[in-house]
Amino acid sequence: EAGVTQFPSHSVIEKGQTVTLRCDPISGHDNLYWYRRVMGKEIKFLLHFVKESKQDESGMPNNRFLAERTGGTYSTLKVQPAELEDSGVYFCASSHPPRRWKAFFGQGTRLTVV
Amino acid sequence: TQLLEQSPQFLSIQEGENLTVYCNSSSVFSSLQWYRQEPGEGPVLLVTVVTGGEVKKLKRLTFQFGDARKDSSLHITAAQPGDTGLYLCAVGSSNTGKLIFGQGTTLQVKP
Repeated sequence: EAGVTQFPSHSVIEKGQTVTLRCDPISGHDNLYWYRRVMGKEIKFLLHFVKESKQDESGMPNNRFLAERTGGTYSTLKVQPAELEDSGVYFCASSHPPRRWKAFFGQGTRLTVV
Repeated sequence: TQLLEQSPQFLSIQEGENLTVYCNSSSVFSSLQWYRQEPGEGPVLLVTVVTGGEVKKLKRLTFQFGDARKDSSLHITAAQPGDTGLYLCAVGSSNTGKLIFGQGTTLQVKP
């Protein structure tokens, strides 16, 4: 069984540009989460999808971040326009009821905004 | 103020030594998880502790949940270079699965 896959692994963009991160969860997992770790800080929750619906987006930093989950399968996280403070590692995780707490993480996308 | 405080933040030891890392909070939790993350990879769940005072063992790793369910420890016996990595504690919602992480302990085991 394939694990959670994230693309790209690394992205270096200039301030003001747009970047789209993609996450393919484990097949059949209804829950999909995005997290972010900025340098020197803990991993922080961004948002949670249940199938195609946003369940909780309380962790999204601002309206420059837009997440979608088409048809309840893969998800994208777009940052537009990117700022320097958006640099960090973005993780995606998926899980399936009833064991929602057992999340499987992708390898992360390291985003560097210069 | 962080919900989960992990200590130490960094630990560098020789192969064969024992070590303990801690995860503390002033809040009470229904469960707590420990993850390990290697460079270039995402966190991988090691264990979930649920009951106050619970002890779980995973080979040379021993996890304990505090009696009051506010803290936890991870003890590694006879550390090996393969134990090198970032150890994270986390608490989550059983309803939503949302996780809150500590900052992590970076462990380096030198051969």
